[in-house]
Amino acid sequence: QSALAQPASVSGSPGQSITISCTGTSSDVGSSNLVSWYQQHPGKAPKLMIYEVNKRPSGVSNRFSGSKSGNTASLTISGLQAEDEADYYCCSYAGSTTYVLFGGGTKLTVL
Amino acid sequence: QVQLQESGPGLVKPSETLSLTCSVSGGSISSYYWSWIRQPPGKGLEWLGYTFYTGSSNYNPSLNSRVTMSVDTSMNQLSLKLSSVTAADTAVYYCAKILQGGASFDIWGQGTMVTVSS
Repeated sequence: QSALAQPASVSGSPGQSITISCTGTSSDVGSSNLVSWYQQHPGKAPKLMIYEVNKRPSGVSNRFSGSKSGNTASLTISGLQAEDEADYYCCSYAGSTTYVLFGGGTKLTVL
Repeated sequence: QVQLQESGPGLVKPSETLSLTCSVSGGSISSYYWSWIRQPPGKGLEWLGYTFYTGSSNYNPSLNSRVTMSVDTSMNQLSLKLSSVTAADTAVYYCAKILQGGASFDIWGQGTMVTVSS
């Protein structure tokens, strides 16, 4: 199975909101509520930001929110801050054999 | 709070077996499912598989049976073995705890870089 499709890059100014999309198929994103999002700063391990489509782990800012419509999941970051500049990866359950698929990653630049 | 720490050789020769361990602290290794995930330099994340202390495992089909994962409860360690490595296996390797409910990873190790080269 192919990786989930994400835009290679997005950008926004401080204070603005941005949305990163993650498009899969009816076999993964479209049929699962187990969609998660990860933030990765250079040289660091990924950090879980959203799980089960729209739930935030303890300690994650409420500026981060997730949603899903059909085969596409989305991560929205509101009130952009400089420290949000990072790579973001989506991930979805994809069945008992493949288990999970990751997206190719999106580089967020805060202008 | 569970913490993870990967360790192992940073250089492996082509055709040999890559072996890594992940030390688990701050929690019971028997309570959770665990995964290995890798990231080639400058590229995205790839799920390698998951394992449970009972021996139950599930691996990424793309690895063509080259991968084996296990849990050592006496040492509180996970292990990853990847056989017949090539340059394409050069990556940062992470161990990660699977969140209850499945298919998301809430705690990660810091990662360990493995280069495949003669």
